[in-house]
Amino acid sequence: DAGVIQSPRHEVTEMGQEVTLRCKPISGHNSLFWYRQTMMRGLELLIYFNNNVPIDDSGMPEDRFSAKMPNASFSTLKIQPSEPRDSAVYFCASSLGTGNTIYFGEGSWLTVV
Amino acid sequence: GEDVEQSLFLSVREGDSSVINCTYTDSSSTYLYWYKQEPGAGLQLLTYIFSNMDMKQDQRLTVLLNKKDKHLSLRIADTQTGDSAIYFCADGGTGGYNKLIFGAGTRLAVHP
Repeated sequence: DAGVIQSPRHEVTEMGQEVTLRCKPISGHNSLFWYRQTMMRGLELLIYFNNNVPIDDSGMPEDRFSAKMPNASFSTLKIQPSEPRDSAVYFCASSLGTGNTIYFGEGSWLTVV
Repeated sequence: GEDVEQSLFLSVREGDSSVINCTYTDSSSTYLYWYKQEPGAGLQLLTYIFSNMDMKQDQRLTVLLNKKDKHLSLRIADTQTGDSAIYFCADGGTGGYNKLIFGAGTRLAVHP
């Protein structure tokens, strides 16, 4: 079975540019999560969707960050404009409903210079 | 708020057992998880334990849960060099939704 698929795997961009990270959850999963991992802050939940609806976006750092889930098989995390402090690994994860195990993608490694 | 704490480093000799410890603060947690992250890779679910269990064994992995002390441990028997990675303990909360609270991760180094 295909796991959670993320793209791009690696991205290097200049400060001020727009960054779009993409995620395809595991087929049939109806919960989707975006996490960010940095050395300083570890793993942080940015936003959680259930049945394509954002349920909790309290972890989204600021207005430069936005996330969408237009359908059950696709989500995006956008950063506009990007800043060097946004450099991190961004993980997408999905689960089959609440109370079930969360499976992670391989991550998108973002460097903003 | 909820918190999960782990020691940051562990070094063991190949063939020995590794024990990675974790403490958490949410006494109503339903599921507790162990994830493994190899260099440059994502998080791989290793195992999990339900809160009404004291122990769970899965091949070389043994998870022990002391709910009274809110202490979780992961024992890896016959540790191999391929086990070198960062191991994250995660608190799955009480459901509602899976807001995993992660520890900072324990870096396991296995040496010959």
